[in-house]
Amino acid sequence: DSGVTQTPKHLITATGQRVTLRCSPRSGDLSVYWYQQSLDQGLQFLIQYYNGEERAKGNILERFSAQQFPDLHSELNLSSLELGDSALYFCASSGEPGGSTDTQYFGPGTRLTVL
Amino acid sequence: AQKITQTQPGMFVQEKEAVTLDCTYDTSDPSYGLFWYKQPSSGEMIFLIYQGSYDQQNATEGRYSLNFQKARKSANLVISASQLGDSAMYFCAMREGWENTDKLIFGTGTRLQVFP
Repeated sequence: DSGVTQTPKHLITATGQRVTLRCSPRSGDLSVYWYQQSLDQGLQFLIQYYNGEERAKGNILERFSAQQFPDLHSELNLSSLELGDSALYFCASSGEPGGSTDTQYFGPGTRLTVL
Repeated sequence: AQKITQTQPGMFVQEKEAVTLDCTYDTSDPSYGLFWYKQPSSGEMIFLIYQGSYDQQNATEGRYSLNFQKARKSANLVISASQLGDSAMYFCAMREGWENTDKLIFGTGTRLQVFP
């Protein structure tokens, strides 16, 4: 158990809908990262938050947004869902950013299926 | 250009034998970190081992060791005394130090199957 929690574990929805994925980082970790794992794109970085502020953006679609709350949990919002958004979405957390030794610990993931 | 390359889509190893999973990387940043993660069929990503670009010695964690050859830009994972529970996907990842971001760049993975 990495200490990172994600809910829900599975999500099945229809095209055009909106969903929210939730992540709680490990105790004491200030950074939260979101990654998408799909068959065609592999594992891709979406976005990083540090202590409530957006720190870095990757290949995140405009239909997707995220935020980190004062209690450090984070939510990833996916809207106008398309079939191609079906993937495993991971949240990871780490301590202080910028340190090359800092390890990211991953949550169990949310498997999103868009029908 | 691929920053992390894992050329072995699949590997087989007999239980109790050692196996090496290959990873090469591409960066011009002198400061970077290399990571290996394991993803069992259940889907979670499990951190295995870390190697920093300035580390003088190869990293080891129990049965896992990292064969770091900086000049060749390779960071191969060695699993000794393989166990059936080692069957999983293995991902090599890199974090570069100069982008002011901590994102990990992943390879495409190697599926390891351990047989009795």
